[in-house]
Amino acid sequence: SQTIHQWPATLVQPVGSPLSLECTVEGTSNPNLYWYRQAAGRGLQLLFYSVGIGQISSEVPQNLSASRPQDRQFILSSKKLLLSDSGFYLCAWETGGSTEAFFGQGTRLTVV
Amino acid sequence: AQSVTQPDIHITVSEGASLELRCNYSYGATPYLFWYVQSPGQGLQLLLKYFSGDTLVQGIKGFEAEFKRSQSSFNLRKPSVHWSDAAEYFCAVGAHGDYKLSFGAGTTVTVRA
Repeated sequence: SQTIHQWPATLVQPVGSPLSLECTVEGTSNPNLYWYRQAAGRGLQLLFYSVGIGQISSEVPQNLSASRPQDRQFILSSKKLLLSDSGFYLCAWETGGSTEAFFGQGTRLTVV
Repeated sequence: AQSVTQPDIHITVSEGASLELRCNYSYGATPYLFWYVQSPGQGLQLLLKYFSGDTLVQGIKGFEAEFKRSQSSFNLRKPSVHWSDAAEYFCAVGAHGDYKLSFGAGTTVTVRA
């Protein structure tokens, strides 16, 4: 069966520090991958999506970047975190022809 | 551009009572519509989705939603809530063929005994 893993579950980082959040998918090939962010009191906002290795589309200009070094690995990064980067980050996958996207358990990031 | 409005930020309901969560969307074509539930500290779980066909959609955990094109709405309902239904609920809209979803701000449901 397919599963999606995100880590870490929680993270507290100082302003100006780097960030790396990892998402991996098991049990499927060539998934479409997504990074969403949920800021406090707001809905989810699509940050990045990827339809294949090395293919990244950014939906919102910001301090973050994404990479897909392997088919089932999706990484969210920042060189220098801002306070406004705090939030709940969710990774999701789907296989293009499917009718459902599957979300990871999320990473709660607090920038202090 | 697509967008979703969930007018109710917070709803409190008694256990056993009915629940209705409102969702209005804006989208130029036939939308794909979803309801997700998020328990505290957890990821999202799909409750139900509408792609086409019957406008009354049945989902998991006893939830249903009705797509009303004339009102641009996709309201979620449950006849009798359980304490375990306390969570945050998100409505989302997407285009045909992809999951670049636009989510509403969410409605937090509190269930009182």
